[in-house]
Amino acid sequence: AQRVTQPEKLLSVFKGAPVELKCNYSYSGSPELFWYVQYSRQRLQLLLRHISRESIKGFTADLNKGETSFHLKKPFAQEEDSAMYYCALSGSSGGSEKLVFGKGTKLTVNP
Amino acid sequence: EPEVTQTPSHQVTQMGQEVILRCVPISNHLYFYWYRQILGQKVEFLVSFYNNEISEKSEIFDDQFSVERPDGSNFTLKIRSTKLEDSAMYFCASISGAPRFYEQFFGPGTRLTVL
Repeated sequence: AQRVTQPEKLLSVFKGAPVELKCNYSYSGSPELFWYVQYSRQRLQLLLRHISRESIKGFTADLNKGETSFHLKKPFAQEEDSAMYYCALSGSSGGSEKLVFGKGTKLTVNP
Repeated sequence: EPEVTQTPSHQVTQMGQEVILRCVPISNHLYFYWYRQILGQKVEFLVSFYNNEISEKSEIFDDQFSVERPDGSNFTLKIRSTKLEDSAMYFCASISGAPRFYEQFFGPGTRLTVL
């Protein structure tokens, strides 16, 4: 079964502090992992994906297959990082590569 | 920059009524998806559509649901007889190429309220 778990519903940090949003997944094959972000009153948009191994807006995420994790990290949080963050997994037998989402973590960065 | 659009932004209907949610994917995209998010819950996959047919559907996507791409630009989700539990945000998404390698672009969503 495909499942994504984000254990923290809410996360609050101060500006300049490091932030880590946790994501664990369950998938029998070789998944693609993504982080999507939804800023207030905006649509879901891709933040980053593990296959591209890039850093976007200072965020990075490393796929750890041993721990089945894909945690999102940023060393110095900014107020504009406040948003809902969704970890997602792609992979299906049907070939449509649907996204399976976690429940999301609401990040609040306080001044 | 091209965007996925959805109409209406908010739809209120009575239980048992039919609703059609509309999406205009980005013009050169090939794969299309519907997802929904019940308030406070996760975004859930409903159906994917490629080459004018459903490529995958979830258990949620029962006989009450159907999708159509009637004119090469619109992509619609129909719910034949709405139930209270169909109240949710419905998101359309599209993708330009092989899903494994390309980003899914999401629309702003339609909030469906079933009374």
